[in-house]
Amino acid sequence: ETGVTQSPTHLIKTRGQQVTLRCSSQSGHNTVSWYQQALGQGPQFIFQYYREEENGRGNFPPRFSGLQFPNYSSELNVNALELDDSALYLCASSLMTSGSPHEQYFGPGTRLTVT
Amino acid sequence: AQSVTQLDSQVPVFEEAPVELRCNYSSSVSVYLFWYVQYPNQGLQLLLKYLSGSTLVKGINGFEAEFNKSQTSFHLRKPSVHISDTAEYFCAVSRSGSARQLTFGSGTQLTVLP
Repeated sequence: ETGVTQSPTHLIKTRGQQVTLRCSSQSGHNTVSWYQQALGQGPQFIFQYYREEENGRGNFPPRFSGLQFPNYSSELNVNALELDDSALYLCASSLMTSGSPHEQYFGPGTRLTVT
Repeated sequence: AQSVTQLDSQVPVFEEAPVELRCNYSSSVSVYLFWYVQYPNQGLQLLLKYLSGSTLVKGINGFEAEFNKSQTSFHLRKPSVHISDTAEYFCAVSRSGSARQLTFGSGTQLTVLP
Protein backbone atom coordinates (compact mmCIF):
# COMPACT_ATOMS: atom_id res chain seq x y z
CA GLU A 1 0.00 0.00 0.00
CA THR A 2 1.50 3.33 -1.09
CA GLY A 3 1.19 6.21 1.34
CA VAL A 4 0.57 9.88 0.60
CA THR A 5 3.35 11.50 -1.39
CA GLN A 6 4.00 15.16 -2.09
CA SER A 7 6.25 17.03 -4.48
CA PRO A 8 8.45 18.92 -4.42
CA THR A 9 9.87 18.59 -0.91
CA HIS A 10 11.25 22.11 -0.89
CA LEU A 11 10.57 25.17 -3.00
CA ILE A 12 11.79 28.77 -3.02
CA LYS A 13 9.74 31.43 -4.79
CA THR A 14 9.75 35.20 -5.05
CA ARG A 15 6.91 37.39 -3.84
CA GLY A 16 4.30 37.83 -6.55
CA GLN A 17 5.05 34.55 -8.28
CA GLN A 18 2.72 31.58 -8.61
CA VAL A 19 3.34 28.05 -7.29
CA THR A 20 1.85 24.60 -7.79
CA LEU A 21 2.22 21.85 -5.21
CA ARG A 22 1.31 18.24 -5.92
CA CYS A 23 -0.07 15.37 -3.90
CA SER A 24 -0.72 11.70 -4.63
CA SER A 25 -3.35 10.13 -2.43
CA GLN A 26 -3.01 6.85 -0.60
CA SER A 27 -4.33 3.95 -2.66
CA GLY A 28 -8.12 3.57 -2.33
CA HIS A 29 -8.72 7.08 -0.97
CA ASN A 30 -11.14 9.47 -2.69
CA THR A 31 -10.73 12.67 -0.66
CA VAL A 32 -7.84 15.09 -0.37
CA SER A 33 -7.41 17.90 2.14
CA TRP A 34 -4.74 20.59 2.17
CA TYR A 35 -3.34 22.30 5.26
CA GLN A 36 -0.89 25.16 5.80
CA GLN A 37 1.46 24.89 8.75
CA ALA A 38 3.36 28.08 9.55
CA LEU A 39 6.50 27.78 11.62
CA GLY A 40 5.72 27.01 15.25
CA GLN A 41 1.99 26.62 14.67
CA GLY A 42 -0.54 23.87 14.11
CA PRO A 43 -1.81 23.08 10.63
CA GLN A 44 -4.63 25.26 9.28
CA PHE A 45 -7.26 23.78 6.96
CA ILE A 46 -7.18 25.29 3.46
CA PHE A 47 -9.73 23.17 1.56
CA GLN A 48 -10.86 19.66 0.77
CA TYR A 49 -11.66 17.96 -2.53
CA TYR A 50 -14.03 15.02 -2.99
CA ARG A 51 -14.84 13.55 -6.40
CA GLU A 52 -13.00 16.39 -8.10
CA GLU A 53 -15.07 19.13 -6.44
CA GLU A 54 -14.28 21.44 -3.55
CA ASN A 55 -15.98 20.05 -0.46
CA GLY A 56 -15.21 22.60 2.22
CA ARG A 57 -12.88 25.57 2.56
CA GLY A 58 -11.10 27.25 5.42
CA ASN A 59 -10.38 30.94 5.88
CA PHE A 60 -8.02 31.37 2.93
CA PRO A 61 -8.31 33.90 0.08
CA PRO A 62 -9.28 32.91 -3.48
CA ARG A 63 -5.67 33.06 -4.64
CA PHE A 64 -5.41 29.64 -2.99
CA SER A 65 -7.03 27.19 -5.38
CA GLY A 66 -6.94 23.49 -6.01
CA LEU A 67 -7.72 20.62 -8.30
CA GLN A 68 -8.43 16.94 -7.84
CA PHE A 69 -7.90 14.60 -10.75
CA PRO A 70 -9.79 11.39 -11.68
CA ASN A 71 -6.99 9.31 -10.12
CA TYR A 72 -7.59 11.32 -6.88
CA SER A 73 -4.24 13.07 -7.02
CA SER A 74 -4.40 16.77 -6.29
CA GLU A 75 -2.75 20.13 -6.83
CA LEU A 76 -2.63 23.22 -4.66
CA ASN A 77 -2.07 26.47 -6.55
CA VAL A 78 -1.16 29.74 -4.92
CA ASN A 79 -1.12 32.95 -6.96
CA ALA A 80 0.50 36.29 -6.14
CA LEU A 81 2.68 34.81 -3.43
CA GLU A 82 3.16 36.81 -0.25
CA LEU A 83 5.91 36.49 2.35
CA ASP A 84 3.36 35.10 4.83
CA ASP A 85 2.69 32.18 2.52
CA SER A 86 6.01 30.71 3.62
CA ALA A 87 5.02 27.51 5.40
CA LEU A 88 4.89 23.72 5.29
CA TYR A 89 2.00 22.63 3.09
CA LEU A 90 0.51 19.29 4.07
CA CYS A 91 -1.73 17.09 2.00
CA ALA A 92 -3.95 14.49 3.65
CA SER A 93 -5.98 11.80 1.97
CA SER A 94 -8.95 9.86 3.30
CA LEU A 95 -11.79 7.60 2.24
CA MET A 96 -15.15 9.32 2.50
CA THR A 97 -18.03 6.91 2.92
CA SER A 98 -21.44 7.27 4.54
CA GLY A 99 -21.13 7.35 8.33
CA SER A 100 -17.34 7.11 8.26
CA PRO A 101 -15.15 9.59 10.10
CA HIS A 102 -12.68 9.16 7.24
CA GLU A 103 -9.46 9.37 9.14
CA GLN A 104 -6.89 11.49 7.35
CA TYR A 105 -3.43 10.27 6.41
CA PHE A 106 -0.80 12.95 5.92
CA GLY A 107 2.04 13.27 3.47
CA PRO A 108 5.49 14.57 4.41
CA GLY A 109 4.71 18.08 3.21
CA THR A 110 6.22 20.68 0.89
CA ARG A 111 8.28 23.42 2.49
CA LEU A 112 7.60 26.68 0.62
CA THR A 113 9.80 29.70 1.20
CA VAL A 114 8.77 33.04 -0.29
CA THR A 115 11.49 35.70 -0.50
CA ALA B 1 -16.99 26.17 14.89
CA GLN B 2 -14.51 24.20 16.93
CA SER B 3 -11.31 25.29 18.66
CA VAL B 4 -8.49 23.48 20.41
CA THR B 5 -6.21 24.68 23.19
CA GLN B 6 -3.02 22.86 24.04
CA LEU B 7 -2.10 24.21 27.41
CA ASP B 8 1.64 23.59 27.30
CA SER B 9 3.83 24.68 24.42
CA GLN B 10 6.85 22.78 25.73
CA VAL B 11 7.11 19.79 28.06
CA PRO B 12 10.56 18.54 29.10
CA VAL B 13 10.63 15.18 30.87
CA PHE B 14 13.30 12.67 31.82
CA GLU B 15 13.51 9.31 30.12
CA GLU B 16 11.31 6.60 31.69
CA ALA B 17 9.19 9.20 33.52
CA PRO B 18 5.44 9.51 32.88
CA VAL B 19 4.08 12.36 30.81
CA GLU B 20 0.73 14.06 30.22
CA LEU B 21 0.09 16.47 27.36
CA ARG B 22 -3.03 18.52 27.89
CA CYS B 23 -5.70 19.35 25.35
CA ASN B 24 -9.00 21.17 25.78
CA TYR B 25 -11.51 21.78 23.04
CA SER B 26 -14.55 23.93 22.44
CA SER B 27 -17.45 22.91 20.25
CA SER B 28 -21.21 23.33 20.12
CA VAL B 29 -21.65 19.95 18.44
CA SER B 30 -20.36 16.44 18.94
CA VAL B 31 -16.78 15.97 17.87
CA TYR B 32 -14.20 13.39 16.98
CA LEU B 33 -10.84 13.86 18.71
CA PHE B 34 -7.35 13.01 17.52
CA TRP B 35 -3.73 13.18 18.59
CA TYR B 36 -1.05 13.42 15.93
CA VAL B 37 2.75 13.34 16.29
CA GLN B 38 5.17 15.20 14.03
CA TYR B 39 8.86 14.33 13.98
CA PRO B 40 11.32 16.95 12.64
CA ASN B 41 10.94 17.60 8.93
CA GLN B 42 8.14 15.08 8.59
CA GLY B 43 4.37 15.05 8.16
CA LEU B 44 1.81 14.10 10.79
CA GLN B 45 1.29 10.58 12.07
CA LEU B 46 -1.92 9.57 13.83
CA LEU B 47 -1.31 8.38 17.41
CA LEU B 48 -4.90 7.70 18.43
CA LYS B 49 -8.49 8.81 17.96
CA TYR B 50 -11.75 9.01 19.85
CA LEU B 51 -14.88 8.54 17.79
CA SER B 52 -17.37 7.09 20.29
CA GLY B 53 -17.68 4.43 22.98
CA SER B 54 -15.06 3.91 25.67
CA THR B 55 -13.58 7.18 26.85
CA LEU B 56 -10.13 5.64 27.32
CA VAL B 57 -8.43 5.26 23.98
CA LYS B 58 -5.20 3.39 23.39
CA GLY B 59 -2.92 4.25 20.51
CA ILE B 60 0.44 3.42 19.05
CA ASN B 61 3.80 3.57 20.81
CA GLY B 62 2.24 3.07 24.25
CA PHE B 63 0.22 6.31 24.25
CA GLU B 64 -3.31 6.59 25.56
CA ALA B 65 -5.83 9.40 25.98
CA GLU B 66 -9.01 9.92 27.95
CA PHE B 67 -12.02 11.80 26.65
CA ASN B 68 -13.73 13.84 29.34
CA LYS B 69 -16.90 15.38 27.99
CA SER B 70 -17.76 17.39 31.09
CA GLN B 71 -14.34 19.03 31.10
CA THR B 72 -14.08 19.09 27.29
CA SER B 73 -10.62 17.59 27.54
CA PHE B 74 -8.66 14.92 25.73
CA HIS B 75 -5.32 14.62 27.51
CA LEU B 76 -2.58 12.38 26.14
CA ARG B 77 -0.56 10.18 28.50
CA LYS B 78 2.32 7.75 28.46
CA PRO B 79 3.50 5.94 31.59
CA SER B 80 7.18 5.80 30.58
CA VAL B 81 8.71 7.88 27.81
CA HIS B 82 11.73 7.16 25.63
CA ILE B 83 14.21 9.44 23.92
CA SER B 84 12.54 8.53 20.62
CA ASP B 85 9.27 10.13 21.80
CA THR B 86 10.83 13.56 21.39
CA ALA B 87 8.58 15.29 18.86
CA GLU B 88 5.78 17.82 18.41
CA TYR B 89 2.33 16.59 19.40
CA PHE B 90 -0.89 18.04 18.03
CA CYS B 91 -4.41 17.63 19.33
CA ALA B 92 -7.17 17.98 16.73
CA VAL B 93 -10.94 17.91 16.52
CA SER B 94 -13.45 17.48 13.75
CA ARG B 95 -17.22 17.68 13.71
CA SER B 96 -18.64 14.20 14.13
CA GLY B 97 -20.80 12.81 11.36
CA SER B 98 -19.02 14.84 8.73
CA ALA B 99 -15.32 15.01 9.42
CA ARG B 100 -14.48 17.37 6.62
CA GLN B 101 -11.75 19.30 8.29
CA LEU B 102 -9.46 18.99 11.25
CA THR B 103 -8.97 21.90 13.61
CA PHE B 104 -5.58 21.67 15.28
CA GLY B 105 -4.12 23.06 18.45
CA SER B 106 -0.84 24.95 18.38
CA GLY B 107 1.16 21.91 19.42
CA THR B 108 3.23 20.73 22.37
CA GLN B 109 6.93 20.07 21.97
CA LEU B 110 7.80 17.03 24.06
CA THR B 111 11.52 16.76 24.81
CA VAL B 112 12.71 13.61 26.54
CA LEU B 113 15.95 14.13 28.42
CA PRO B 114 18.49 11.37 29.16
